[in-house]
Amino acid sequence: DTAVSQTPKYLVTQMGNDKSIKCEQNLGHDTMYWYKQDSKKFLKIMFSYNNKELIINETVPNRFSPKSPDKAHLNLHINSLELGDSAVYFCASSQEGLVGGELFFGEGSRLTVL
Amino acid sequence: SQKIEQNSEALNIQEGKTATLTCNYTNYSPAYLQWYRQDPGRGPVFLLLIRENEKEKRKERLKVTFDTTLKQSLFHITASQPADSATYLCALDSPGSSASKIIFGSGTRLSIRP
Repeated sequence: DTAVSQTPKYLVTQMGNDKSIKCEQNLGHDTMYWYKQDSKKFLKIMFSYNNKELIINETVPNRFSPKSPDKAHLNLHINSLELGDSAVYFCASSQEGLVGGELFFGEGSRLTVL
Repeated sequence: SQKIEQNSEALNIQEGKTATLTCNYTNYSPAYLQWYRQDPGRGPVFLLLIRENEKEKRKERLKVTFDTTLKQSLFHITASQPADSATYLCALDSPGSSASKIIFGSGTRLSIRP
């Protein structure tokens, strides 16, 4: 049973296209996140949702739009893709209210923009 | 702004020795610190959490220390094995804000040679 699953695992596309990455967690957690890991392996938080509500938006361009249809799902849609968007995107979840709550990560979605 | 530094980008040691990884932070007063392991092509996996009022935490061959005066955490793997080779990430959070936000260091790539 995969706790946090994201699809697709690999995504290769042209500049200017629009793409989506989906994420689902079966842990019953209240909070979900999107992180971006660049070529230098630096993990940066992008968004955080708690019970379908946006609670963190870390100065990410408007081209990135997260959507949470329910607390088990958090999707990421990216418009007008740019070369600099190439990275690995990780979805994660944690239990809200649990101080020090660990993050559970998906396996990542490697996006390559040509 | 908050800054987290993991001093070594890479660390190579002989099997059986103790690996020691360092995490320093500035402009920050975290209530706790976490360590994660990341294998190539995989998402980070939580290892240990240590709170600000704890000096040391152990789990099997892992030991973490937390010095809030030095603003530093040390992560030790004793009796290291080639299977311990991975990238290790430290992460900090400051609960008490309206949103839970975990910030990661850039990681240390550990290689254990047989």
